[in-house]
Amino acid sequence: DAGVTQSPTHLIKTRGQQVTLRCSPKSGHDTVSWYQQALGQGPQFIFQYYEEEERQRGNFPDRFSGHQFPNYSSELNVNALLLGDSALYLCASSLSPGRETQYFGPGTRLLVL
Amino acid sequence: DQQVKQNSPSLSVQEGRISILNCDYTNSMFDYFLWYKKYPAEGPTFLISISSIKDKNEDGRFTVFLNKSAKHLSLHIVPSQPGDSAVYFCAASDISGTYKYIFGTGTRLKVLA
Repeated sequence: DAGVTQSPTHLIKTRGQQVTLRCSPKSGHDTVSWYQQALGQGPQFIFQYYEEEERQRGNFPDRFSGHQFPNYSSELNVNALLLGDSALYLCASSLSPGRETQYFGPGTRLLVL
Repeated sequence: DQQVKQNSPSLSVQEGRISILNCDYTNSMFDYFLWYKKYPAEGPTFLISISSIKDKNEDGRFTVFLNKSAKHLSLHIVPSQPGDSAVYFCAASDISGTYKYIFGTGTRLKVLA
């Protein structure tokens, strides 16, 4: 049973560029959440997707956007990258929105130069 | 405003002894709490959860205690093993229907052989 997978594992970009990160949820899961983990901090919620719609959003600017596909996989897009966007980006999937436990992928480490 | 706090950045424990990791929260609307373990270069792994209707939940060597009046939860690991060495995050979500987890900043546990 495959867990949550993310690609790529590492990425280096320069300021002002755009990036797309990808996530495949755990088998049977239809809900995907994205988190940003800065160095020395806990993960911070970016947004959650269910039924191909953004259901909930954290305190992140509109430069952060996402998408969910019919097969439940998801993308996180970040435009106009800033140095402060350097972080580990984590995808988590769950059986449904709400009280279901979220299971995390290994993350994509993004470095913005 | 840090709604979930883990005030001990690190903890060292001898193998075989008890590890106690603490977490405090400020939002009285939180009603579901989780502990995750994170190894370097991996995503957080779900360990154990507790609903606010309980004050204790056990799973093998792991027990989580919740003190709602003190807004405090703790994770006990007995007996501690070297493989338990990792960063531990507590997380909380609230009853308002928002599906995001709010994480603490983590406690690095080192179990000494």
